[in-house]
Amino acid sequence: SQQGEEDPQALSIQEGENATMNCSYKTSINNLQWYRQNSGRGLVHLILIRSNEREKHSGRLRVTLDTSKKSSSLLITASRAADTASYFCATEGYGGSQGNLIFGKGTKLSVKP
Amino acid sequence: ETGVTQSPTHLIKTRGQQVTLRCSSQSGHNTVSWYQQALGQGPQFIFQYYREEENGRGNFPPRFSGLQFPNYSSELNVNALELDDSALYLCASSLLGAYGYTFGSGTRLTVV
Repeated sequence: SQQGEEDPQALSIQEGENATMNCSYKTSINNLQWYRQNSGRGLVHLILIRSNEREKHSGRLRVTLDTSKKSSSLLITASRAADTASYFCATEGYGGSQGNLIFGKGTKLSVKP
Repeated sequence: ETGVTQSPTHLIKTRGQQVTLRCSSQSGHNTVSWYQQALGQGPQFIFQYYREEENGRGNFPPRFSGLQFPNYSSELNVNALELDDSALYLCASSLLGAYGYTFGSGTRLTVV
């Protein structure tokens, strides 16, 4: 079953604009990760934020985590056509749940040149 | 360092047949996990292997089974294939206790 729910399901923007994707989840987590997937191929790990962190940056990516609201957001600044892909959030629990990433259905991002 | 490699990239099987998918973990990683991704959905956890033993399983029937070898490579076996098994199968490796997973490019299985 899916734990995360990304919002929106699809997003279309112009090159240079910022893209924001949101993720909500249901149970307590150890960490939350964001992945990118191009054309139904493998997943590329983008960024991981731990449950005791509130914000993290990596290049043009900014991730926030609000554990009280069980939500996260991914911001891609100054988007490029090459950012066109599906983006998934995935949560990982503690102990026996480690290794079991629970993914949402993803946000399909289209960046137009 | 090498990434995660999966083979084959595409496969077509007939309902009722058996299939074996293969995965080579990233160097230095000791766990491997398998995921099934149906079209338009997020990946779903099948199981994880650590030290050649199953270390967690998702909601998949016993006809989904796996192996991990001493060199940390892995196989996913699916018996009695059903049409709904058509999906992209992803393998991910990691170092137990560390953060982050490296995914392979997947095997697209079509059951007809």
